[in-house]
Amino acid sequence: GDSVTQMEGPVTLSEEAFLTINCTYTATGYPSLFWYVQYPGEGLQLLLKATKADDKGSNKGFEATYRKETTSFHLEKGSVQVSDSAVYFCALSDRPDSWGKLQFGAGTQVVVTP
Amino acid sequence: GAVVSQHPSWVICKSGTSVKIECRSLDFQATTMFWYRQFPKQSLMLMATSNEGSKATYEQGVEKDKFLINHASLTLSTLTVTSAHPEDSSFYICSVAGGRETQYFGPGTRLLVL
Repeated sequence: GDSVTQMEGPVTLSEEAFLTINCTYTATGYPSLFWYVQYPGEGLQLLLKATKADDKGSNKGFEATYRKETTSFHLEKGSVQVSDSAVYFCALSDRPDSWGKLQFGAGTQVVVTP
Repeated sequence: GAVVSQHPSWVICKSGTSVKIECRSLDFQATTMFWYRQFPKQSLMLMATSNEGSKATYEQGVEKDKFLINHASLTLSTLTVTSAHPEDSSFYICSVAGGRETQYFGPGTRLLVL
């Protein structure tokens, strides 16, 4: 079945450091890929998404490129801020004609220190 | 995006009792809602998909008589954990389907069964 694997956390960084969170997936079809972020005490929010190979999703300085050849969707940000401290979830949906049925990775906690 | 609330945010109950968790879509008509369960340091596992006015569709391995879902209106879905036991202790999260492959998540409810 479909699955998502992302790097374990916590990832601790200093402000303005470069952030990468690795995410790889297995899927039988051509899934859409997502990054969700969960700030402390809040629900998951969609950060960015990509629906086909070589698409790049971007939002709030974060980027991720859909790499079919490596089945990856790594999240990157060039200069993190303390406000980026959160848990980040990689997810896929292999049924674009449905309302979701997302398959999530385990989440990666990111802690940014001043 | 839609604002989704959950109530209660946390609950402690005795083994054998039933617990009801509410998920409300505050500003969006929620035709479809999802219920997830999350164990510590693990990914969100989809439990069921509920559509307003019809029976929920449960994922494989989820006991529908154990986890009763009611989605009687476009703003409210409830999850009742019946005859709860310590192994039901978990973090329960609901989401609202907001469009093609978009979901809006509630902040979650932590259940502890003693």
